[in-house]
Amino acid sequence: QLQLQESGPGLVKTSETLSLTCSVSGGSINTVDYSWGWIRQPPGKGLEWIGNINYRGVTYYNLSLKSRITISVDKARSQVSLKLNSVTAADTALYYCSRWSDSIGWFDPWGQGTLVTVSS
Amino acid sequence: DIQMTQSPSSVSASVGDRVTFTCRASQDISTWLLWYQQKPGKAPKVLIYLASFLQSGVPARFSGSGSGTDFNLTISGLQTEDFAIYYCQQAKSFPLTFGGGTKVEIK
Repeated sequence: QLQLQESGPGLVKTSETLSLTCSVSGGSINTVDYSWGWIRQPPGKGLEWIGNINYRGVTYYNLSLKSRITISVDKARSQVSLKLNSVTAADTALYYCSRWSDSIGWFDPWGQGTLVTVSS
Repeated sequence: DIQMTQSPSSVSASVGDRVTFTCRASQDISTWLLWYQQKPGKAPKVLIYLASFLQSGVPARFSGSGSGTDFNLTISGLQTEDFAIYYCQQAKSFPLTFGGGTKVEIK
């Protein structure tokens, strides 16, 4: 059964770079059938898609975050990474990683999420 | 971007009630529509995909309908465990977008 686990610092200083890792286990990260995505949820608010990366390393980003985001895959380590630079308090959120199916159009499964707080 | 609008933002209902809420897309997305359920402290879970297909393991009291721009999620016979927030998401094109959610609360 595929499992995803997000990890990274829980506190990031304003203007610095947020770096998170999603470790994938119980299945292959190197599959043409799926992509990998990041979604975030500010406390008490709704879901916001951050971006996806597919089998070929092609990325799709939320346009409002595009200039600050980098998503990459380390196939050898079965990890998907997110970097978000120049963070502000507005980037405080629970960050989820998930597997994306192009053929069905769903995020499933999801990691448990990791809370990142941005503060000076 | 395709904007997704959910209504109402919250609904108060009793166990056993039939509830329906709506998701509207700003442009035609055919049936590329997902419904997720999110409970407090948990990640979202897929309920419905391609607008009307029930995800494996999801109770049959959940149903989805619609195509184009207007979609519904119906819970027929609300159960205690159904009190949660429901989000729609369009999968027609990038950037992917979610609706703002509908919170189902106990009356």
